[in-house]
Amino acid sequence: DAGITQSPRHKVTETGTPVTLRCHQTENHRYMYWYRQDPGHGLRLIHYSYGVKDTDKGEVSDGYSVSRSKTEDFLLTLESATSSQTSVYFCAISDPDRPGYGYTFGSGTRLTVV
Amino acid sequence: KQEVTQIPAALSVPEGENLVLNCSFTDSAIYNLQWFRQDPGKGLTSLLLIQSSQREQTSGRLNASLDKSSGRSTLYIAASQPGDSATYLCAVVSGTSGSRLTFGEGTQLTVNP
Repeated sequence: DAGITQSPRHKVTETGTPVTLRCHQTENHRYMYWYRQDPGHGLRLIHYSYGVKDTDKGEVSDGYSVSRSKTEDFLLTLESATSSQTSVYFCAISDPDRPGYGYTFGSGTRLTVV
Repeated sequence: KQEVTQIPAALSVPEGENLVLNCSFTDSAIYNLQWFRQDPGKGLTSLLLIQSSQREQTSGRLNASLDKSSGRSTLYIAASQPGDSATYLCAVVSGTSGSRLTFGEGTQLTVNP
């Protein structure tokens, strides 16, 4: 979607290395989310943010940390990547303060940990 | 904990057929429900959003209904086309201030020419 971009689109990294994925939005939405998508598990919430410096854990947060220093950017960091973190990662934005709000997703980052 | 189930997991139909995809959820305290489409290797595209106070939404050949009390939603696709082939995902918004989006595992639709 034009209002939300993820980088990089693809990444291959080695086990034990740190990795940071970036999500950038131009919609000024208050909430930002990180999901991972895996066969047999669907989309699962990792972390989310409800404002600058305000974050909370999702259902699969172990091994991940996030930061949001400004409204536009939400970073997901894998402190020490493991093979179980090979997945497709999606960022999403929403704003419950806006009437009829929904969720908008980025195009995803395909991460392979070897 | 909110759980979302989609039936069927896969569906194959001939072109031109009308079809219904089903979604059920366990906690009726939702803010809204959103249907997405995902093509292979791509991101999620929003199709329809139904707020909790609404019963249905329509967009072109798509119609989505919501019955909060029974925890069910359906996505109706009229006159299906091969370009409709994709995975369709149902997601419900719940939690504190509508902060949680919970997905079903999707229905993989194939429309044969």
